[in-house]
Amino acid sequence: AQSVSQHNHHVILSEAASLELGCNYSYGGTVNLFWYVQYPGQHLQLLLKYFSGDPLVKGIKGFEAEFIKSKFSFNLRKPSVQWSDTAEYFCAVSRATAGNKLTFGGGTRVLVKP
Amino acid sequence: DAMVIQNPRYQVTQFGKPVTLSCSQTLNHNVMYWYQQKSSQAPKLLFHYYDKDFNNEADTPDNFQSRRPNTSFCFLDIRSPGLGDAAMYLCATSRAGGTDTQYFGPGTRLTVL
Repeated sequence: AQSVSQHNHHVILSEAASLELGCNYSYGGTVNLFWYVQYPGQHLQLLLKYFSGDPLVKGIKGFEAEFIKSKFSFNLRKPSVQWSDTAEYFCAVSRATAGNKLTFGGGTRVLVKP
Repeated sequence: DAMVIQNPRYQVTQFGKPVTLSCSQTLNHNVMYWYQQKSSQAPKLLFHYYDKDFNNEADTPDNFQSRRPNTSFCFLDIRSPGLGDAAMYLCATSRAGGTDTQYFGPGTRLTVL
């Protein structure tokens, strides 16, 4: 079965620090990759997505992610975080052969200290 | 603004008492999904509708059922809620196809007493 792993459950960092969240998936075929964010008390929102083309994708709010096919990874990065980036971040994968069904990783709670 | 709406936001029910959660969308999307998200866990897909075609996940308990009377509305019915069914239930929609973004509603938090 397909699985999605996020390496860190909790991350605490200070404003202006750089952020990198790891995501690995287990499926070997063609995949679509997503990062969603859930701010406190709000619904899940799409940060960015990768389907094909340039493996470095840029999303909203200064986030970017790099797809490394050989490593089955799709890590999320932001060079300088703000307090407002405090949220839970979910990596998700859908398989091209399985329609649009998303498999989510376990999530990473990020706390940015002012 | 086009959106995914879930009602109610908070639902309290008693052990074994049937409950229905509601989702509506103004996006005119073909696909609607129901996810269960337990505390500190990832959202888990329960089932989805592609238009009127119902697709159940293999490990979704029989206790959970769904109805989609039209494009805009989708319901989640829990026939006999157990304590283990307490969770956040998320509705999402997408146009169709593997590359389409899913748009999520705010969720309904279900408490089972």
